[in-house]
Amino acid sequence: DGGITQSPKYLFRKEGQNVTLSCEQNLNHDAMYWYRQDPGQGLRLIYYSQIVNDFQKGDIAEGYSVSREKKESFPLTVTSAQKNPTAFYLCASATGLDTEAFFGQGTRLTVV
Amino acid sequence: GEDVEQSLFLSVREGDSSVINCTYTDSSSTYLYWYKQEPGAGLQLLTYIFSNMDMKQDQRLTVLLNKKDKHLSLRIADTQTGDSAIYFCAESLFHSGGYQKVTFGIGTKLQVIP
Repeated sequence: DGGITQSPKYLFRKEGQNVTLSCEQNLNHDAMYWYRQDPGQGLRLIYYSQIVNDFQKGDIAEGYSVSREKKESFPLTVTSAQKNPTAFYLCASATGLDTEAFFGQGTRLTVV
Repeated sequence: GEDVEQSLFLSVREGDSSVINCTYTDSSSTYLYWYKQEPGAGLQLLTYIFSNMDMKQDQRLTVLLNKKDKHLSLRIADTQTGDSAIYFCAESLFHSGGYQKVTFGIGTKLQVIP
């Protein structure tokens, strides 16, 4: 089945460590996005990518990095520079000019 | 800049209609969306409406768009306990680079009382 997959569902990280969240889609979508969801704040855009080997910062990119080496994959690295990394992270993809964005099931990251 | 506002909480009785409201600020929005999020899960697109439409109906869902007031609403008829979730309003804008930037509201938690 076509879709967008995030892994793992739950992730624990020690303070000061980098961690990478996976996002894979087989929908042949050009555009991919990473959002962060905090209680009471809705979703905020971290990074987005329109095409392979290109990505742009969103509203809250500090402390995060991404890569887009393949169309299907858009991994997000949460670095030790991110001050408050504990959150629910959602990945999405879209054709770029289409009407809807498809979301993964999310990864809940907890820093301990 | 873009801003999307919605109330935090709505409680309705099973069988009643639910109306979730949303306001947005950018008049150049192209599409407006309603997403549903169940606990611990990602977002599921419920419905969307083009900015040049006033209404869209899809089974139990009715979306109303008032462009003059920049107001969007989602009506769920015959609300069921399975409709309990957080509902996100979102607007999209197409940028010159050819991508769509989607801005989300804070989410309205719908509680359905049996």
